[in-house]
Amino acid sequence: DGGITQSPKYLFRKEGQNVTLSCEQNLNHDAMYWYRQDPGQGLRLIYYSQIVNDFQKGDIAEGYSVSREKKESFPLTVTSAQKNPTAFYLCASSMLTGSSYNEQFFGPGTRLTVL
Amino acid sequence: GENVEQHPSTLSVQEGDSAVIKCTYSDSASNYFPWYKQELGKGPQLIIDIRSNVGEKKDQRIAVTLNKTAKHFSLHITETQPEDSAVYFCAASNPMNRDDKIIFGKGTRLHILP
Repeated sequence: DGGITQSPKYLFRKEGQNVTLSCEQNLNHDAMYWYRQDPGQGLRLIYYSQIVNDFQKGDIAEGYSVSREKKESFPLTVTSAQKNPTAFYLCASSMLTGSSYNEQFFGPGTRLTVL
Repeated sequence: GENVEQHPSTLSVQEGDSAVIKCTYSDSASNYFPWYKQELGKGPQLIIDIRSNVGEKKDQRIAVTLNKTAKHFSLHITETQPEDSAVYFCAASNPMNRDDKIIFGKGTRLHILP
């Protein structure tokens, strides 16, 4: 089955610790995205990547880092510099088309709680 | 850049009645408008989308309308059922933008009342 997976589903972290969220897709999509979701805030873009070894900051990149060493993988690190990291994190992927619609497929999400 | 406004933030309708969610966008060059449904604890899933070359699209009980002149689009759910309870997001995108991003509204929590 093709799809996008995120792990773990629930993650707990102590203040001051870095933590990495996994995102893998086997859809052969070029682009991958990380969103943060808070109640009443909708989906806010953290980082996105259109090609291996390249990525761009989204609207709320401070305190986060990413890497894109492989086409199918786009891990997100929440660093200790992120002041309010407790949230639901969603990973998505899409084909790069340049001239047509670009449906994004979402993973099931990771709920991060800072203790 | 693009900005998408979505109303209402919460909507309660009696089972069997219709629900309407409205969105406006700012970038007149946007030409792709998807709608996502998110159930509790899960990721959003695309339920219907519309491109700017059509004004309306229907899929069983759900339909979307687009008014490019006014820059607004709406989701219509008829004969609502309990399983329609979820958060719905509208979005807009201009695929010709180099960054290929989709801009989401803040979501509407739909409650279907028994």
